[in-house]
Amino acid sequence: GQNIDQPTEMTATEGAIVQINCTYQTSGFNGLFWYQQHAGEAPTFLSYNVLDGLEEKGRFSSFLSRSKGYSYLLLKELQMKDSASYLCAVRDNYGQNFVFGPGTRLSVLP
Amino acid sequence: DAGVTQSPTHLIKTRGQQVTLRCSPKSGHDTVSWYQQALGQGPQFIFQYYEEEERQRGNFPDRFSGHQFPNYSSELNVNALLLGDSALYLCASSSQFRSTDTQYFGPGTRLTVL
Repeated sequence: GQNIDQPTEMTATEGAIVQINCTYQTSGFNGLFWYQQHAGEAPTFLSYNVLDGLEEKGRFSSFLSRSKGYSYLLLKELQMKDSASYLCAVRDNYGQNFVFGPGTRLSVLP
Repeated sequence: DAGVTQSPTHLIKTRGQQVTLRCSPKSGHDTVSWYQQALGQGPQFIFQYYEEEERQRGNFPDRFSGHQFPNYSSELNVNALLLGDSALYLCASSSQFRSTDTQYFGPGTRLTVL
C-alpha cells in the first residue's frame, strides 16, 4: 500500500528554524518532493530528493534517507509568509503519479 | 510562458448533476494529472492522461472520467455528483520527455456540491 505520514500542525517563531518530518511506505519510489501550499492556492514546488542526503536551496533544505523511508524539510530564518501547508509527496516508479501526504500546517508567530 | 491554467475558478452544483472541469498544461508539457483535495488534506490522485489516453488511475469510481485533446489540454468530468465531491480539483502538468522534473500545478477549481 501507499502511506505517507506528516505531523498535522506545527508552530514556530519568526526568525527560528523548523524541521518538518515525513515518513513514507510506498510500493515504488522515484523521488520525494516537497511542496508549499498557501490556503486556497495551488501547491508550488520547493525541493526534490532522489538520492540520500541533503539538498540545500536558500532558506530551505530537504533531506532523504531511502533505507529509512524518511525525509525532512528544514526551513531557516522563518518569515511570516512561510505560514502555509507543506506537502510531502513520493513519485512512483512508472508514470509521474505522485502520492501526497496529508500536509503539515505551519504557523509562524511574531 | 503560460503556466497551467484551469477553468472555471469556482463552481456550485447540486447533488446528481454533472460537471466538467478544464485544464491547459504548461507550454511544452504533454502529460496531465488530476487530483482531488478535500479541505485540510493532501491531494488525492484521480488519473493521468498522456497521448490522449488514461495511463494511470487512482482509487476513484467510474463517475470520474476524463479526456485529453490533441493540444494536450484535458477535461475532468464527474457524473451524479455527491456532497462528498466538494473539493479543490487540481490539474498538474509534466513532460514525459523530462521525466525527472516535477509537475506543475494549476490554481485549481473549487467545486461545491449542495
